[in-house]
Amino acid sequence: NAGVMQNPRHLVRRRGQEARLRCSPMKGHSHVYWYRQLPEEGLKFMVYLQKENIIDESGMPKERFSAEFPKEGPSILRIQQVVRGDSAAYFCASSPFRDNQPQHFGDGTRLSIL
Amino acid sequence: AQSVTQLGSHVSVSEGALVLLRCNYSSSVPPYLFWYVQYPNQGLQLLLKYTTGATLVKGINGFEAEFKKSETSFHLTKPSAHMSDAAEYFCAVQNTGNQFYFGTGTSLTVIP
Repeated sequence: NAGVMQNPRHLVRRRGQEARLRCSPMKGHSHVYWYRQLPEEGLKFMVYLQKENIIDESGMPKERFSAEFPKEGPSILRIQQVVRGDSAAYFCASSPFRDNQPQHFGDGTRLSIL
Repeated sequence: AQSVTQLGSHVSVSEGALVLLRCNYSSSVPPYLFWYVQYPNQGLQLLLKYTTGATLVKGINGFEAEFKKSETSFHLTKPSAHMSDAAEYFCAVQNTGNQFYFGTGTSLTVIP
């Protein structure tokens, strides 16, 4: 009964490199959400995806950030040409597509930019 | 769009005292409501949820919350704080489009 799995738990990148964060939703969940959390701040919504479809990306920065949730495999949050300001904890959550069902969260990926 | 307001980004209580964390939401229709807890270096865990039915909802670890439609509130309470309750707490609203909106969180400190 695996929960939401995120990997890696910690990721270190140098400025200008690419960061790829992976999220495998809970079994039976077809919806994935990505959030960013900075120290002393709350969760900032980034993007909401269904298999092969982006439902809402209103929280995604316009440049360098992209997300996908392919038919097979995990959801990927990709950050190109990382900058110091990208350092944060990134959380993935999943839910079934049914009203009144909560999101289930992974333990996050902590991204550090050198 | 929905919004969730958590009054008080930091709350301190003495061990054994009442815990009250406030949450208000804006919605034209009754939404689904949730409280989550986050411990350091971990993801969010569901504490409790309100969907329909009884407005007083009991969750894990002795927490409960009451949905008050007239006040558009969903405050979280616990009669007696324990040291292990120190954490970050998030209130969330889900609309019928399966989108979630989170408050900015309340950090609870328990003083021995």
